[in-house]
Formats: sequence, structure tokens, C-alpha cells
Amino acid sequence: SQQGEEDPQALSIQEGENATMNCSYKTSINNLQWYRQNSGRGLVHLILIRSNEREKHSGRLRVTLDTSKKSSSLLITASRAADTASYFCATEGGGTSYGKLTFGQGTILTVHP
Amino acid sequence: DAMVIQNPRYQVTQFGKPVTLSCSQTLNHNVMYWYQQKSSQAPKLLFHYYDKDFNNEADTPDNFQSRRPNTSFCFLDIRSPGLGDAAMYLCATSRDRSRPSSYEQYFGPGTRLTVT
Repeated sequence: SQQGEEDPQALSIQEGENATMNCSYKTSINNLQWYRQNSGRGLVHLILIRSNEREKHSGRLRVTLDTSKKSSSLLITASRAADTASYFCATEGGGTSYGKLTFGQGTILTVHP
Repeated sequence: DAMVIQNPRYQVTQFGKPVTLSCSQTLNHNVMYWYQQKSSQAPKLLFHYYDKDFNNEADTPDNFQSRRPNTSFCFLDIRSPGLGDAAMYLCATSRDRSRPSSYEQYFGPGTRLTVT
């Protein structure tokens, strides 16, 4: 069963604006990760937040995690045209799921110059 | 200084003709993964190796097999490709998996497979 659902499916903004993407999941997790994928390419890891963490920052990225609501959000501040890509959340479960990621459907972000 | 390398980047094969995709890594990571990603969909884990220990996902078709002859290399074999197997195939590595290690995965650029 699919673990992550992302919202919105597509987001179109102007350069300089902030972009917020949301992710919901169904079962308990060890950590949640966000990845970026440029068109037709591999995925690039952006940030990892552990289940006992609530917020994490990395440069222009801010990730929050609410385990009670089983949801996470990724905020990209002061977006740039180069941020145009698909963004995926991925959850790592516990037990036999250690090290295995289940990806959400992704959000397609378009940043217009 | 590429860390996860996939060859070829584009592969065209005929319906039913076996095909092998390759992945190599310079990170010396224990774990290697193969994902299938169809157009506009999420990557889906097919299987992974923890060192030489092979772990198949329950819903991975028997048509898909994998080999890991050494730490650096991993191969994806599709025995009889069907039209539905056309997809991007992504290889990834990570440092460990045996406990909640919270390590990220490093992905290669992918191989886009076309089945004619």
C-alpha cells in the first residue's frame, strides 16, 4: 500500500516566492526524507528528519514533521527558477523496513523567472 | 567524481528479449537498491542487497532478477521484457540498513528503458 501522499500534485509560482509542499503517510516511521528529481534524472537527497524531530533547516529548506498527524511539509524560501523539479517525500519504516524507502507521488514545482 | 553510475542511460530492447542494466558505485556502501519509476509516478522499490544478502519485494515480478558480484557493482536483469516494463530504472546506495541508521540514499542518473 502506498505510504506517502503529496499535496499539491503541481505548484506554479514566481521566482522569489515561497513554495510549500505537504506529505502525509499512514504507518509509523523511523524517518522521513525529501528528494528532488530534475526531469528525466535521478533523485537527489535534500533533507532527512527523524521521527523524534519536529523541524529541520538546511539553507533555504525548512522541513516540519508532525508524527501525531502523520504529516510533513517542505518549505522552499525565496524560490529560484533552478528549483523547478519534482519533489518527493519518502518514509523509512521500522523493523524489517529499516533502510527501505516508500515514496510519495511527488509534487511538480515550476518556478517562473 | 560520479558516485553512482548507471549504464546505459538509455536502453531500447525488443519485446521478450532479455536485457541487463548495470550500476556501479564508488561510495563503498553496503546497500544497493533497484527502483522502477514509471512516467509521472513514484519510484517503486524492486529489491535491494545488503552486502550479498538479497531482499526481494513481495510484489516484484519474477521477470526481474538481480546480481551483485561485488560491493561496487549490481545488475538488474529483465528476462522477458514486456511493454509494461518500459520505465526509468534507478539504482541507489546507502551506508547501512541493519538498524534505524537514518542514512540517506544516493541515486544514480537512471536508465530509461524502452520496449518495442
